[in-house]
Amino acid sequence: KAGVTQTPRYLIKTRGQQVTLSCSPISGHRSVSWYQQTPGQGLQFLFEYFSETQRNKGNFPGRFSGRQFSNSRSEMNVSTLELGDSALYLCASSLDQGMPGNTIYFGEGSWLTVV
Amino acid sequence: AQKVTQAQTEISVVEKEDVTLDCVYETRDTTYYLFWYKQPPSGELVFLIRRNSFDEQNEISGRYSWNFQKSTSSFNFTITASQVVDSAVYFCALSLLEDTGRRALTFGSGTRLQVQP
Repeated sequence: KAGVTQTPRYLIKTRGQQVTLSCSPISGHRSVSWYQQTPGQGLQFLFEYFSETQRNKGNFPGRFSGRQFSNSRSEMNVSTLELGDSALYLCASSLDQGMPGNTIYFGEGSWLTVV
Repeated sequence: AQKVTQAQTEISVVEKEDVTLDCVYETRDTTYYLFWYKQPPSGELVFLIRRNSFDEQNEISGRYSWNFQKSTSSFNFTITASQVVDSAVYFCALSLLEDTGRRALTFGSGTRLQVQP
């Protein structure tokens, strides 16, 4: 079956702009989470959505937001972009939320460069 | 709070060598899950294995094997007869249920493996 799909794969934005990233989870998966990966900070959890509700949130400023649609697809938005937001943004899906044993499957990520 | 330590930042081996990637975790919970992921240059984290805290059996999958030892809080990963295609960053992760009822997934900092031909 198809894996986690993220779009766009690569994008370049200017400081101050905003960006929206999209994620389609594996069919049947209802939980979607987002991670930011940078060379200096590693993999950092942004937030998790389940049934269109944010269930968990990492330690990121309010410029980072997300949402989930009724078909489990998710988007994340970063407003007022800063140079430090340049990163690989990874979306991941799992069957359910709150089940630590559920395997989380990742997409290929969206490479964001802020100039 | 939970923590995952991958002390090896980068490892370089020559093809056909065996290599072991170390993972040490910290948690006070008795129920937890451990994962290994592989991240090739393309960026996607590829799931390799999941192990729960009650199953200490080692596992072998082709050239890959995992050694889980609760006594030392370690979940090490060995690649036998490494190949160039094994070159990637490997992440160890710990998953458990917090008191809030939320799942907490903690990643190690990753080990970059370079396999030279």
